[in-house]
Amino acid sequence: ETVLTQSPGTLSLSPGERATLSCRASQSLTSSYVAWYQQRPGQAPRLLVSGTSNRATDIPDRFSGSGSGTDFTLTINRLEPEDFAVYYCQHFGGSPPWTFGQGTKVEIK
Amino acid sequence: QVQLQESGPGLVRPSQTLSLTCTVSGVYISSGGYYWSWIRQHPGKGLEWIGYIQHSGTAYYNPSVNRRLTMSVDTSKNQFSLNLTSVTAADTAVYYCVRESPKKGRAFDVWGQGTMVTVSS
Repeated sequence: ETVLTQSPGTLSLSPGERATLSCRASQSLTSSYVAWYQQRPGQAPRLLVSGTSNRATDIPDRFSGSGSGTDFTLTINRLEPEDFAVYYCQHFGGSPPWTFGQGTKVEIK
Repeated sequence: QVQLQESGPGLVRPSQTLSLTCTVSGVYISSGGYYWSWIRQHPGKGLEWIGYIQHSGTAYYNPSVNRRLTMSVDTSKNQFSLNLTSVTAADTAVYYCVRESPKKGRAFDVWGQGTMVTVSS
């Protein structure tokens, strides 16, 4: 089972700044199967990015995903107030169980 | 617009069975092409995938709950369900029903709002 480690645990930034979130895997991942999710307080998670870099429907272009191998990144340019939330990376391996990273909280500085 | 809605009791007694149903609208489960999952989130914690089922009834469960979990699908009602037996306080969580889509790479693209289940006497 692949372990996904996200860093940092908490990111304190101001609106308008750029957020760079890391997801490191215990083994090489299939890029097509790496996704990122956003969870605002009290809400269900929502899909941001699939296949490492494909933005989901209605996701603003300030969100971008990149990476390969064991290192993947979610970048949020020009943070908006609604972007302060918890973000999870996730991977579909060769067979279940599917795993998530432990999350990165982006908080207002 | 595809929507998923969980339903079931919010309180379950220890050692009893937790039963939840997810009602799907906007797409027919019977059309195939998707996996229908349950994901849970313990209070203040991260996300744990616990299992999926396909329209055919083929299911796969996370070994962490494998021996206690059964999932089923009712295509006539466009629903899928979860039964988790012998629950303990460790099963207290928000349970989400989720669609897994193969488009643009695999991802959980549609989520229910979640239902909080507390295991307590």
